[in-house]
Amino acid sequence: GAGVSQTPSNKVTEKGKYVELRCDPISGHTALYWYRQSLGQGPEFLIYFQGTGAADDSGLPNDRFFAVRPEGSVSTLKIQRTERGDSAVYLCASSLTPGLGYTFGSGTRLTVV
Amino acid sequence: DQQVKQNSPSLSVQEGRISILNCDYTNSMFDYFLWYKKYPAEGPTFLISISSIKDKNEDGRFTVFLNKSAKHLSLHIVPSQPGDSAVYFCAALEVGSGGSNYKLTFGKGTLLTVNP
Repeated sequence: GAGVSQTPSNKVTEKGKYVELRCDPISGHTALYWYRQSLGQGPEFLIYFQGTGAADDSGLPNDRFFAVRPEGSVSTLKIQRTERGDSAVYLCASSLTPGLGYTFGSGTRLTVV
Repeated sequence: DQQVKQNSPSLSVQEGRISILNCDYTNSMFDYFLWYKKYPAEGPTFLISISSIKDKNEDGRFTVFLNKSAKHLSLHIVPSQPGDSAVYFCAALEVGSGGSNYKLTFGKGTLLTVNP
């Protein structure tokens, strides 16, 4: 597609529930990243994929968070047993070259009530 | 520990004047710096960047200055326009490290308001 597409744009869920956030990167971009932006903060790195594999998942806050990219294109960020502190905007980005030429999606605003 | 700091949460300027947004960093391994602009409900969009081997990069109304010894960079917008009103994020990369050369470290952002 022309840009990075993230769905849903908004998600409200109850504490303890499971959520999946989807990212559809720009076609041909092998590098894909997830960032999280909490209120009043800048985006913070979560995970980086090169192709199908997670090259760096050091930013995932704990084992409730997991991400996959099975075919090297679409990625899904999965959060188990959501907590109110998980409320944030989750941003996905993709690029041809690692680190440079990032294109961000519009994000998914997750609210845990 | 914030490695990239934007100490002004907001800035207000008159249309036509210069806007100066500041950014400081603490990690001496950072060697590439970027500015992103973000409108509400949209993702950050790339604005301008600078490598640590330069001290200035210009693109139209936007100029970024880098003072490596002071670990400080600034974004100048001149003349400022109402459409420039947005949150501006400073970000840094360790391109030459060979390790985490893909991981952007962002500041908290500065909300710029340009008044007509």
